[in-house]
Amino acid sequence: DAGVTQSPTHLIKTRGQQVTLRCSPKSGHDTVSWYQQALGQGPQFIFQYYEEEERQRGNFPDRFSGHQFPNYSSELNVNALLLGDSALYLCASSFLGGGDNQPQHFGDGTRLSIL
Amino acid sequence: GENVEQHPSTLSVQEGDSAVIKCTYSDSASNYFPWYKQELGKRPQLIIDIRSNVGEKKDQRIAVTLNKTAKHFSLHITETQPEDSAVYFCAASSPIEDDKIIFGKGTRLHILP
Repeated sequence: DAGVTQSPTHLIKTRGQQVTLRCSPKSGHDTVSWYQQALGQGPQFIFQYYEEEERQRGNFPDRFSGHQFPNYSSELNVNALLLGDSALYLCASSFLGGGDNQPQHFGDGTRLSIL
Repeated sequence: GENVEQHPSTLSVQEGDSAVIKCTYSDSASNYFPWYKQELGKRPQLIIDIRSNVGEKKDQRIAVTLNKTAKHFSLHITETQPEDSAVYFCAASSPIEDDKIIFGKGTRLHILP
C-alpha cells in the first residue's frame, strides 16, 4: 500500500523561473492538499483539490496554482519565483468520501531552493 | 479565519518524565484537532487526533485533551523516551472553511538522558 509520494525530492531554481511539483496520493485517497513549510515554521496551507477542482485556498498569491488529474494525482505550479518561495513543499492526501475531517497523510516533500 | 497558537516553542524534559504542549484556537466552529510529529528531515506524521464531540483521547503514552469552552487543547506524553525528541505541531480544522487544516508554529521537544 503506497503512501503519499512526491517528486522531485530537491529542486534548485533561480528568481523569475517557474516550477512544477508533483504528488501522488495514498492509495484510496481522493483529496490532495498542498502546504508550504519554511524553515522552523509549521506547514502553511496553500490549497486543496477534490474532484479535479480547487476546493479551498489559503493566503497565497495567484503565482501559486494547481491541478488535480482524474487519477487523483496533483501538481503544484509556482510562477515568477521569488527568493521567499524557498521552502519545503508538502503534499497531504485524505479521503473526503469518508466524511468531513478525515486524517491527512503527508509525503516527504520537495525541498525548493531559489537562488 | 482560524488562528492556532502553540506553546512552548521549545521544551526540554528528563527521560521518563511527562511533557505537555498546549494550543489555543480562534474559530469556535473548529471541530477537528490533529497532532503531528516531525523528525528532522522527515515528513509530518499524524500521531493522534480528536474531534469536538470528545473531551479526551488516549493512545498508549500519548493523550490529547480538548476544552471547547476555552478553545484550547493539549498533548500529553508520559514516560518520555529518546525517540520522542522531535517537533510537534498542533492543528485545527473547521467545516466552515471546508476542513482546511491550520497548523501551529510547532514545539521542539528535547528528551534529556
